[in-house]
Amino acid sequence: AQKITQTQPGMFVQEKEAVTLDCTYDTSDPSYGLFWYKQPSSGEMIFLIYQGSYDQQNATEGRYSLNFQKARKSANLVISASQLGDSAMYFCAMRLYNFNKFYFGSGTKLNVKP
Amino acid sequence: DTAVSQTPKYLVTQMGNDKSIKCEQNLGHDTMYWYKQDSKKFLKIMFSYNNKELIINETVPNRFSPKSPDKAHLNLHINSLELGDSAVYFCASSYNDRGYEKLFFGSGTQLSVL
Repeated sequence: AQKITQTQPGMFVQEKEAVTLDCTYDTSDPSYGLFWYKQPSSGEMIFLIYQGSYDQQNATEGRYSLNFQKARKSANLVISASQLGDSAMYFCAMRLYNFNKFYFGSGTKLNVKP
Repeated sequence: DTAVSQTPKYLVTQMGNDKSIKCEQNLGHDTMYWYKQDSKKFLKIMFSYNNKELIINETVPNRFSPKSPDKAHLNLHINSLELGDSAVYFCASSYNDRGYEKLFFGSGTQLSVL
């Protein structure tokens, strides 16, 4: 069975500091993609970053980077230079390559303090 | 221009009523989804359609009936609403980007059953 685990229900970070949001996954399928989404208080779900299971390098998108450790089955999101607007829920998700279904973690609520 | 739009944004109704949520995407994606987000922010897939055909139906009560008149629309009709149906419902669509599926969400419909 496929599973995504986010063990941090809530986190605080000081503005301008970096923060790491944890995500571990479980699958026996060798082909999968890992995603992070941001959900601000307004409710919409915003795509942030993607990592494929065969990608050799960690994905980066601006201030977001994904620390992908395949052997440990972890896909942590690193946000550098946190901004007040980063305060939101963050969801880790996985999609199996051959199966059109996304599995989501329970989310981490990030609060950025001024 | 909204890529994935769903209406209404808020829906308040009495138990036992029938209601519909509409979803349209102008991205040209072949695959569309309905997700339910409960009060604990947990996102769970309900249905997935590919080119108007149902491909995923996740043990959802048959009071929930999706309808896809064309690949740009996926509506959700709910019969005999129950208190437990209160949640945020997200429509989404996806496309394959260099072998990897990317998911785009609508802004959500907050359903409150009284």
